[in-house]
Amino acid sequence: DQQVKQNSPSLSVQEGRISILNCDYTNSMFDYFLWYKKYPAEGPTFLISISSIKDKNEDGRFTVFLNKSAKHLSLHIVPSQPGDSAVYFCAATGGANSKLTFGKGITLSVRP
Amino acid sequence: TAGITQAPTSQILAAGRSMTLRCTQDMRHNAMYWYRQDLGLGLRLIHYSNTAGTTGKGEVPDGYSVSRANTDDFPLTLASAVPSQTSVYFCASRRDAISGNTIYFGEGSWLTVV
Repeated sequence: DQQVKQNSPSLSVQEGRISILNCDYTNSMFDYFLWYKKYPAEGPTFLISISSIKDKNEDGRFTVFLNKSAKHLSLHIVPSQPGDSAVYFCAATGGANSKLTFGKGITLSVRP
Repeated sequence: TAGITQAPTSQILAAGRSMTLRCTQDMRHNAMYWYRQDLGLGLRLIHYSNTAGTTGKGEVPDGYSVSRANTDDFPLTLASAVPSQTSVYFCASRRDAISGNTIYFGEGSWLTVV
Protein backbone atom coordinates (compact mmCIF):
# COMPACT_ATOMS: atom_id res chain seq x y z
CA ASP A 1 0.00 0.00 0.00
CA GLN A 2 1.64 3.15 -1.22
CA GLN A 3 1.36 5.92 1.37
CA VAL A 4 2.92 8.65 -0.77
CA LYS A 5 1.76 8.85 -4.36
CA GLN A 6 3.12 10.76 -7.29
CA ASN A 7 0.69 9.70 -9.96
CA SER A 8 2.27 11.42 -12.93
CA PRO A 9 5.57 9.84 -13.98
CA SER A 10 6.68 12.79 -16.06
CA LEU A 11 6.05 16.44 -16.83
CA SER A 12 7.33 18.63 -19.64
CA VAL A 13 7.13 22.42 -19.53
CA GLN A 14 8.49 25.34 -21.49
CA GLU A 15 11.30 27.39 -20.01
CA GLY A 16 9.93 30.40 -18.14
CA ARG A 17 6.57 28.79 -17.47
CA ILE A 18 5.33 27.33 -14.20
CA SER A 19 5.96 23.70 -13.26
CA ILE A 20 3.46 22.11 -10.87
CA LEU A 21 4.39 18.78 -9.36
CA ASN A 22 1.71 17.01 -7.37
CA CYS A 23 1.83 14.55 -4.48
CA ASP A 24 -0.87 12.79 -2.48
CA TYR A 25 -0.58 10.91 0.80
CA THR A 26 -2.81 8.58 2.76
CA ASN A 27 -1.30 8.43 6.25
CA SER A 28 -2.89 10.94 8.63
CA MET A 29 0.12 10.68 10.95
CA PHE A 30 2.37 12.42 8.44
CA ASP A 31 3.19 15.91 9.71
CA TYR A 32 6.26 16.93 7.75
CA PHE A 33 6.72 16.86 4.01
CA LEU A 34 9.79 17.27 1.88
CA TRP A 35 10.73 17.53 -1.78
CA TYR A 36 13.99 16.14 -3.08
CA LYS A 37 15.57 16.71 -6.45
CA LYS A 38 17.75 14.12 -8.14
CA TYR A 39 20.02 14.43 -11.13
CA PRO A 40 21.28 11.30 -12.93
CA ALA A 41 24.25 9.63 -11.23
CA GLU A 42 23.88 11.77 -8.13
CA GLY A 43 22.21 11.35 -4.76
CA PRO A 44 18.91 13.08 -3.99
CA THR A 45 19.30 16.59 -2.63
CA PHE A 46 16.90 18.35 -0.31
CA LEU A 47 14.90 21.09 -1.99
CA ILE A 48 12.16 22.39 0.28
CA SER A 49 9.94 21.22 3.12
CA ILE A 50 6.74 22.11 4.88
CA SER A 51 5.31 21.36 8.29
CA SER A 52 1.68 20.38 8.68
CA ILE A 53 1.07 23.53 10.72
CA LYS A 54 1.58 25.57 7.56
CA ASP A 55 -0.12 25.58 4.20
CA LYS A 56 2.61 27.28 2.21
CA ASN A 57 6.38 27.56 2.24
CA GLU A 58 8.37 29.57 -0.25
CA ASP A 59 12.06 29.57 -1.11
CA GLY A 60 13.03 31.59 -4.13
CA ARG A 61 11.50 30.08 -7.25
CA PHE A 62 10.16 27.11 -5.28
CA THR A 63 6.91 27.07 -3.34
CA VAL A 64 5.27 24.11 -1.67
CA PHE A 65 1.56 24.13 -0.90
CA LEU A 66 -0.08 21.76 1.56
CA ASN A 67 -3.79 20.94 1.67
CA LYS A 68 -4.23 18.75 4.72
CA SER A 69 -7.91 18.11 4.27
CA ALA A 70 -7.24 16.74 0.80
CA LYS A 71 -3.97 15.08 1.86
CA HIS A 72 -2.34 16.77 -1.08
CA LEU A 73 0.76 18.84 -1.61
CA SER A 74 2.27 20.44 -4.65
CA LEU A 75 5.58 21.96 -5.63
CA HIS A 76 5.50 25.03 -7.85
CA ILE A 77 8.58 26.15 -9.74
CA VAL A 78 8.35 29.64 -11.23
CA PRO A 79 9.90 30.40 -13.62
CA SER A 80 11.08 26.99 -14.74
CA GLN A 81 14.63 26.72 -16.03
CA PRO A 82 16.37 23.99 -18.06
CA GLY A 83 18.56 23.26 -15.04
CA ASP A 84 15.44 22.24 -13.16
CA SER A 85 15.18 19.15 -15.35
CA ALA A 86 15.53 16.27 -12.90
CA VAL A 87 13.56 13.66 -10.98
CA TYR A 88 11.59 15.11 -8.07
CA PHE A 89 10.63 12.97 -5.11
CA CYS A 90 7.94 13.83 -2.63
CA ALA A 91 8.50 12.45 0.88
CA ALA A 92 6.60 12.42 4.15
CA THR A 93 7.28 11.63 7.77
CA GLY A 94 5.44 11.81 11.07
CA GLY A 95 5.87 11.08 14.77
CA ALA A 96 8.85 10.06 16.87
CA ASN A 97 11.37 7.71 15.30
CA SER A 98 9.51 8.28 12.07
CA LYS A 99 11.02 7.08 8.85
CA LEU A 100 10.80 8.99 5.61
CA THR A 101 8.41 7.54 3.04
CA PHE A 102 9.01 8.48 -0.58
CA GLY A 103 6.85 8.64 -3.63
CA LYS A 104 7.97 7.05 -6.90
CA GLY A 105 9.20 10.35 -8.29
CA ILE A 106 8.33 12.48 -11.29
CA THR A 107 10.68 13.35 -14.12
CA LEU A 108 10.53 17.04 -14.99
CA SER A 109 11.81 18.21 -18.36
CA VAL A 110 12.10 21.93 -18.99
CA ARG A 111 12.36 22.74 -22.68
CA PRO A 112 14.51 25.71 -23.73
CA THR B 1 26.79 15.16 -0.97
CA ALA B 2 28.96 16.72 1.69
CA GLY B 3 29.20 14.71 4.89
CA ILE B 4 28.18 11.25 3.63
CA THR B 5 30.68 9.01 1.88
CA GLN B 6 29.68 5.78 0.18
CA ALA B 7 31.98 3.08 -1.19
CA PRO B 8 32.31 1.56 -3.64
CA THR B 9 30.83 3.91 -6.23
CA SER B 10 30.01 0.98 -8.46
CA GLN B 11 30.50 -2.77 -8.40
CA ILE B 12 29.74 -5.81 -10.50
CA LEU B 13 29.13 -8.83 -8.31
CA ALA B 14 28.64 -12.49 -9.15
CA ALA B 15 25.42 -14.02 -7.88
CA GLY B 16 25.93 -15.91 -4.65
CA ARG B 17 28.84 -13.75 -3.53
CA SER B 18 28.72 -11.51 -0.49
CA MET B 19 29.43 -7.83 -0.44
CA THR B 20 29.41 -4.92 1.98
CA LEU B 21 28.50 -1.39 0.94
CA ARG B 22 30.17 1.12 3.20
CA CYS B 23 28.71 4.37 4.46
CA THR B 24 30.36 6.95 6.67
CA GLN B 25 29.04 10.31 7.79
CA ASP B 26 30.93 13.06 9.59
CA MET B 27 27.96 15.13 10.71
CA ARG B 28 27.47 13.25 14.01
CA HIS B 29 23.96 12.39 12.93
CA ASN B 30 22.17 9.89 15.12
CA ALA B 31 19.91 8.38 12.49
CA MET B 32 21.11 6.59 9.36
CA TYR B 33 19.32 4.84 6.51
CA TRP B 34 19.84 2.64 3.49
CA TYR B 35 17.57 3.05 0.48
CA ARG B 36 17.51 1.41 -2.91
CA GLN B 37 16.28 3.18 -6.02
CA ASP B 38 14.72 1.20 -8.82
CA LEU B 39 13.06 2.48 -11.98
CA GLY B 40 9.37 3.01 -11.43
CA LEU B 41 9.59 2.19 -7.73
CA GLY B 42 11.22 5.28 -6.30
CA LEU B 43 13.26 5.12 -3.11
CA ARG B 44 12.54 2.21 -0.81
CA LEU B 45 13.90 1.86 2.69
CA ILE B 46 15.97 -1.27 3.35
CA HIS B 47 17.19 -0.82 6.93
CA TYR B 48 17.56 2.04 9.34
CA SER B 49 19.28 2.93 12.59
CA ASN B 50 17.87 5.60 14.89
CA THR B 51 20.98 5.66 17.04
CA ALA B 52 24.28 3.83 17.41
CA GLY B 53 23.75 0.30 18.63
CA THR B 54 20.21 -0.05 17.24
CA THR B 55 18.88 -1.09 13.83
CA GLY B 56 15.49 -1.75 12.29
CA LYS B 57 13.93 -3.18 9.15
CA GLY B 58 12.46 -1.02 6.43
CA GLU B 59 10.17 -1.90 3.52
CA VAL B 60 12.52 -4.28 1.71
CA PRO B 61 14.96 -5.82 4.23
CA ASP B 62 15.18 -9.37 2.89
CA GLY B 63 18.65 -10.37 1.74
CA TYR B 64 20.30 -7.46 3.53
CA SER B 65 21.80 -6.90 6.97
CA VAL B 66 23.22 -3.85 8.71
CA SER B 67 25.17 -2.97 11.81
CA ARG B 68 25.71 0.27 13.71
CA ALA B 69 28.71 -0.15 15.96
CA ASN B 70 29.34 3.60 16.16
CA THR B 71 27.73 6.89 15.17
CA ASP B 72 29.64 7.41 11.95
CA ASP B 73 29.43 4.08 10.12
CA PHE B 74 26.46 2.13 8.78
CA PRO B 75 27.54 -0.72 6.47
CA LEU B 76 25.03 -2.69 4.41
CA THR B 77 25.84 -6.35 3.73
CA LEU B 78 24.45 -8.64 1.07
CA ALA B 79 25.20 -12.16 2.32
CA SER B 80 24.46 -13.97 -0.93
CA ALA B 81 23.69 -11.61 -3.79
CA VAL B 82 20.89 -12.27 -6.29
CA PRO B 83 20.20 -10.48 -9.59
CA SER B 84 17.13 -8.74 -8.13
CA GLN B 85 19.49 -6.84 -5.86
CA THR B 86 20.86 -5.01 -8.88
CA SER B 87 20.07 -1.43 -7.98
CA VAL B 88 21.40 1.92 -6.90
CA TYR B 89 21.91 2.09 -3.16
CA PHE B 90 21.79 5.34 -1.22
CA CYS B 91 22.94 5.85 2.32
CA ALA B 92 21.33 8.73 4.19
CA SER B 93 21.39 10.36 7.59
CA ARG B 94 19.68 12.97 9.71
CA ARG B 95 20.39 14.55 13.06
CA ASP B 96 17.62 12.69 14.87
CA ALA B 97 14.83 10.35 13.84
CA ILE B 98 12.04 12.86 14.33
CA SER B 99 9.83 14.84 12.02
CA GLY B 100 11.30 18.15 11.00
CA ASN B 101 14.78 16.80 10.53
CA THR B 102 15.97 16.79 6.94
CA ILE B 103 17.53 13.63 5.56
CA TYR B 104 20.77 14.01 3.61
CA PHE B 105 21.89 11.48 1.03
CA GLY B 106 25.19 10.13 -0.19
CA GLU B 107 26.08 9.95 -3.87
CA GLY B 108 25.03 6.34 -4.27
CA SER B 109 26.56 2.94 -4.96
CA TRP B 110 25.69 1.27 -8.26
CA LEU B 111 25.53 -2.50 -7.85
CA THR B 112 25.06 -5.01 -10.64
CA VAL B 113 24.57 -8.66 -9.72
CA VAL B 114 25.21 -11.05 -12.60
